[in-house]
Amino acid sequence: DTAVSQTPKYLVTQMGNDKSIKCEQNLGHDTMYWYKQDSKKFLKIMFSYNNKELIINETVPNRFSPKSPDKAHLNLHINSLELGDSAVYFCASSPRRDPKGTQYFGPGTRLLVL
Amino acid sequence: QKEVEQDPGPLSVPEGAIVSLNCTYSNSAFQYFMWYRQYSRKGPELLMYTYSSGNKEDGRFTAQVDKSSKYISLFIRDSQPSDSATYLCAMTPRNQFYFGTGTSLTVIP
Repeated sequence: DTAVSQTPKYLVTQMGNDKSIKCEQNLGHDTMYWYKQDSKKFLKIMFSYNNKELIINETVPNRFSPKSPDKAHLNLHINSLELGDSAVYFCASSPRRDPKGTQYFGPGTRLLVL
Repeated sequence: QKEVEQDPGPLSVPEGAIVSLNCTYSNSAFQYFMWYRQYSRKGPELLMYTYSSGNKEDGRFTAQVDKSSKYISLFIRDSQPSDSATYLCAMTPRNQFYFGTGTSLTVIP
């Protein structure tokens, strides 16, 4: 009965590969997010979707493409992985479009690019 | 200049101490202020949430916002070893979300 789940938890891959991270929430929330947390613990928003519509798209390389098949899922596809993409990627959801509401975070996906 | 500044620490205190964690910000449009706690290898979880200037208390935790100084604080009374975690401040105007870098706290039994 995990509220926000992510798969995989760990991802080790070579430079140049393409990979996807999946996120699912069973909270009935309308809004979902992807964050990147670097080695210094800095948490930076990448994307936000509300009811499958992209509402926040921060300055992120085009190699990153979010996809929301329905409002309970927000996947992140990364093309041509680079060393600097190594980080922990967190998915989160919140019950309101305007992010004043509480955000519920997933456990994170630890990506290591070799 | 970063939107939100937070001292990364690390901060180490004995059990029972009062802990003060702080963030400053530069954008006067920020309206909502939050503190998240992140245990090692876990996602952040919301601790406190405030909208206006002033204090908000929840058990051993007190969140303080001073909009005139663009300064927010989190106080932890009677700190416990289970409080050992990274604490991130977060704030938002409309449709944007900014986190501090987090302060690593260790409470020593």
